[in-house]
Amino acid sequence: QVQLVESGGGVVQPGRSLRLSCAASGFSFSDYALHWVRQAPGKGLEWVAVLSSDGSVKYHADSVRGRFTVSRDNSKNTLFLQMNSLRPDDTAVYYCAREVAPDGYNHGDFGYWGQGTLVTVSS
Amino acid sequence: DIQMTQSPSSLSASVGDRVTITCRASQSLTRYLNWYQQQPGKAPKVLILAASRLQTGVPSRFSGGGSGTDFSLTISSLQPEDFATYYCQQSYLTPWTFGRGTTVEIK
Repeated sequence: QVQLVESGGGVVQPGRSLRLSCAASGFSFSDYALHWVRQAPGKGLEWVAVLSSDGSVKYHADSVRGRFTVSRDNSKNTLFLQMNSLRPDDTAVYYCAREVAPDGYNHGDFGYWGQGTLVTVSS
Repeated sequence: DIQMTQSPSSLSASVGDRVTITCRASQSLTRYLNWYQQQPGKAPKVLILAASRLQTGVPSRFSGGGSGTDFSLTISSLQPEDFATYYCQQSYLTPWTFGRGTTVEIK
């Protein structure tokens, strides 16, 4: 079955960096676009970034553009989120989510979600 | 960015009740509107895509409707496992945006 397992979260000081990973299994990883979506404690969902199946097309939300970068390694079935210049308002559970359609494109249809990894930005 | 407004923000209902949640977009989405359910402490789960397309494995008591700027999610007969928070999300234009959620609580 489809599995997405995030890792790399933790407590980090403002201004520092963190790299999240999302290990995928149970489907043909290189056929799907993948997203990062975050949820601040007690708050709603916020889309963060998307990367096409071949890594050629990526979009980032305005709130993270220039600080966060999404990437993937199709040989290792893994999605990454490099987070630099972290701020307290980046504190959230970060989910990776897979598109529904296996065409490699970004449609904004979040078919499967991982369980998330918590990032806390605090001094 | 497209703004998504859900109402109500929370509601109390009993098992067996019919419940409707509404979602309004700041511009027309045609039918590019999705619904997700999030149970406490868990990841969201997709219920409905493209306004009314029920996803595999989702019980038929869930239904979605609407087009343009106004959409709805209906649970025809609320079950204990349906007490959760529900989010609408537009898939019309990047950046993808969500409503603030509707929490369905036990009366």
